[in-house]
Amino acid sequence: QQPVQSPQAVILREGEDAVINCSSSKALYSVHWYRQKHGEAPVFLMILLKGGEQKGHEKISASFNEKKQQSSLYLTASQLSYSGTYFCGTEIRNTGFQKLVFGTGTRLLVSP
Amino acid sequence: GAVVSQHPSRVICKSGTSVKIECRSLDFQATTMFWYRQFPKQSLMLMATSNEGSKATYEQGVEKDKFLINHASLTLSTLTVTSAHPEDSSFYICSAIRGPGGYTFGSGTRLTVV
Repeated sequence: QQPVQSPQAVILREGEDAVINCSSSKALYSVHWYRQKHGEAPVFLMILLKGGEQKGHEKISASFNEKKQQSSLYLTASQLSYSGTYFCGTEIRNTGFQKLVFGTGTRLLVSP
Repeated sequence: GAVVSQHPSRVICKSGTSVKIECRSLDFQATTMFWYRQFPKQSLMLMATSNEGSKATYEQGVEKDKFLINHASLTLSTLTVTSAHPEDSSFYICSAIRGPGGYTFGSGTRLTVV
């Protein structure tokens, strides 16, 4: 049930780009993306509600392919502050309940 | 924006004792709250869904008698780790829903059982 993210870890030099993928075995209602620094709570980046939707936030954007049950997060011209662990969250809904399930995570390190 | 306050941020307890963690929605009413647990270098795993005025719904493999959840009001949910043991040491974090797709997280509680 937990979405699988790839890659598990990536190391970048400042200014380089990266793509993080999130794949679910279940139908997705929405996809959320978070970044977590060590020892802190996850910080919300963006949510994609519709299949095929793309969203952007500064140099961070994401796409959502509802049919393939996949989402990708794009980091362009990475900055040192982008370092952390990125999680996708897939929202599962059914009659009377909804919940957010986090993916396996991708650790990103941006070096000078 | 929506704020969820979680206390304590850190707690150290002796093995065999119980620890209570509070999660409060400060500027909105939360009929549903969620409790997650995160071990080092792992993902956040959903433990249970807390519903105001009713019993919590636990995820498979989570012991409901060990992790007691109470959601007595629209702004407060508590998680009590009973008879804590070192393997319960983890980062516990709560979340509440505000609006469509709006999951707001508390700041987390680092529990260390010695």
